[in-house]
Amino acid sequence: DAKTTQPTSMDCAEGRAANLPCNHSTISGNEYVYWYRQIHSQGPQYIIHGLKNNETNEMASLIITEDRKSSTLILPHATLRDTAVYYCIVMGTNAGKSTFGDGTTLTVKP
Amino acid sequence: DTAVSQTPKYLVTQMGNDKSIKCEQNLGHDTMYWYKQDSKKFLKIMFSYNNKELIINETVPNRFSPKSPDKAHLNLHINSLELGDSAVYFCASSEGRVPPKAGELFFGEGSRLTVL
Repeated sequence: DAKTTQPTSMDCAEGRAANLPCNHSTISGNEYVYWYRQIHSQGPQYIIHGLKNNETNEMASLIITEDRKSSTLILPHATLRDTAVYYCIVMGTNAGKSTFGDGTTLTVKP
Repeated sequence: DTAVSQTPKYLVTQMGNDKSIKCEQNLGHDTMYWYKQDSKKFLKIMFSYNNKELIINETVPNRFSPKSPDKAHLNLHINSLELGDSAVYFCASSEGRVPPKAGELFFGEGSRLTVL
């Protein structure tokens, strides 16, 4: 499975959009991009996933570039409760074997 | 109505002991996983079972032995515990073993193991 790179940390003002980037330049055609977050001491929580098209659900939006080498998770109106480590992973046929990397620590500030 | 539940939540034990962590999911999923999160926060897959069949077995010492009595349960037994086994162990489940559903993992709250 392709590896991903994410910034170590980001800050966001409460109420503003949080845009979290992820680079997955070695992604293969059949690999999906998934986003998770982990709030301190809790289990990771699935957020959203996509293959080629942009996706939106009640939690977030996922924008995938046309060449699929990078993506951005958008939290449209960040709240203090969105403070967490956000993981971007890529998963193909070896489902479940993907490693969660360092992730991005998002801090939402009042 | 917890979806994925693990017990115990905390476990403190001495080196050399044997311990088990239990996991149950009530989501009707047929694939379950054990992940290990170490002090550096990396979350790594250890094992995966699909309908009681072992499908993923990463490079894990054979002191770790998973067991799935049915598709709703996946337990982890650890023999001869070592200091380096101290970590948080997460159980997860998914609907199916291939993406995209396989990537929608539902995690438990974790079991923090401390080996003294």
